[in-house]
Amino acid sequence: EVQLVESGGGLVQPGRSLKLSCAASGFTYSNYVMAWVRQAPTKGLEWVASISIGGGNTYYRDSVKGRFTISRDNAKNTLYLQIDSLRTEDTATYYCAGRDYNKYIYYFDYWGQGVMVTVSS
Amino acid sequence: EIVLTQSPTTIAASPGEKVTITCRASSSVSYMYWYQQKPGASPKPWIYDTSKLASGVPNRFSGSGSGTSYSLTINTMETEDAATYYCQQWSSTPLTFGSGTKLESK
Repeated sequence: EVQLVESGGGLVQPGRSLKLSCAASGFTYSNYVMAWVRQAPTKGLEWVASISIGGGNTYYRDSVKGRFTISRDNAKNTLYLQIDSLRTEDTATYYCAGRDYNKYIYYFDYWGQGVMVTVSS
Repeated sequence: EIVLTQSPTTIAASPGEKVTITCRASSSVSYMYWYQQKPGASPKPWIYDTSKLASGVPNRFSGSGSGTSYSLTINTMETEDAATYYCQQWSSTPLTFGSGTKLESK
């Protein structure tokens, strides 16, 4: 069974840092382009960052560049998102999601259950 | 950045009714992708490469379109289809999503 399990969320003050993790199982993780997608309360989906299968290439939306760092450990089948200088507008459920690199299908086959990040003083 | 505009924002349909959701891109894209999301749940992959149904998606669903105009159609609405549907493109970076269409069952 495919599983993506996020952890590390919580209530954080503005300006502080947080590191999210996503543990993958049930599929060949190292073949998957991974990403973080967030959803603010009652809002739509917003892509945040992606990372290539080897981890050498990373991509970010403009509003998080310089504050968010995506990384992966293929030996541990785990995806990470380091979030620094948190802002109230970063409040959202953060989903990790994966796309099979070997299939030329450019959407996310697998999604985690999401982890909530609340930024508030 | 390619902006995806979905319409309508909300729609209510009776069981058996035909439903069409539209997604318009600000620039031409090669393919459109769709997800279904129900309250409190993660998005589910629903349609890929514009018109191919993801595993387990009922065949009353279909997708079509090209260029800047795409659509998701439900041939005969069922109550279980009530959800929010999002379109997504990855023809250019950044990957973008539409703002969603909430489908309610009457």
